[in-house]
Amino acid sequence: EAGVTQFPSHSVIEKGQTVTLRCDPISGHDNLYWYRRVMGKEIKFLLHFVKESKQDESGMPNNRFLAERTGGTYSTLKVQPAELEDSGVYFCASSLLANYGYTFGSGTRLTVV
Amino acid sequence: RKEVEQDPGPFNVPEGATVAFNCTYSNSASQSFFWYRQDCRKEPKLLMSVYSSGNEDGRFTAQLNRASQYISLLIRDSKLSDSATYLCVVNPSGAGSYQLTFGKGTKLSVIP
Repeated sequence: EAGVTQFPSHSVIEKGQTVTLRCDPISGHDNLYWYRRVMGKEIKFLLHFVKESKQDESGMPNNRFLAERTGGTYSTLKVQPAELEDSGVYFCASSLLANYGYTFGSGTRLTVV
Repeated sequence: RKEVEQDPGPFNVPEGATVAFNCTYSNSASQSFFWYRQDCRKEPKLLMSVYSSGNEDGRFTAQLNRASQYISLLIRDSKLSDSATYLCVVNPSGAGSYQLTFGKGTKLSVIP
């Protein structure tokens, strides 16, 4: 079974630019989550999709972040415009049932300079 | 007070040693508890779920004390391959909320 795939693995962008991260969940997993870890902090929840619907977006830091999951398959997380404090590792995870059996992707390491 | 608190370590132990990690959580209504393992620059991977009755998986034993809001992980007969960061993870309750709350992790180095 293929795991959760994230692309790109690394991204370096300038402050003010736009970046789009992509996550392909395990096939058949309706639940998809985004988390991030900024330097020196714990991993924090961003949002949760069930199929194409946003179940919980309480962790999204501000309106510069936009997540989509068209068709309930892959998801994108766009940061526009990027700020220095957005640097960190963005993890995607998926699960068949909510709150059970999360599988994380290997993450996208974002550096804003 | 942080939602999930862990001793950051590092814990440096010789092979074969027994090591214990502790974690406290602030939300008394939390329902689900986990230990994840994260290798350097890798994604977190589920090590084990934690139940009130305690549970064991080979060399690993997890315990939950709801009254004290305390979770523990015991590793017996440490192997070099156990070197990693161990994350205490809690799912706070809430209708429709399935987000995980992570501690910052405890770093373990097992030394030959």
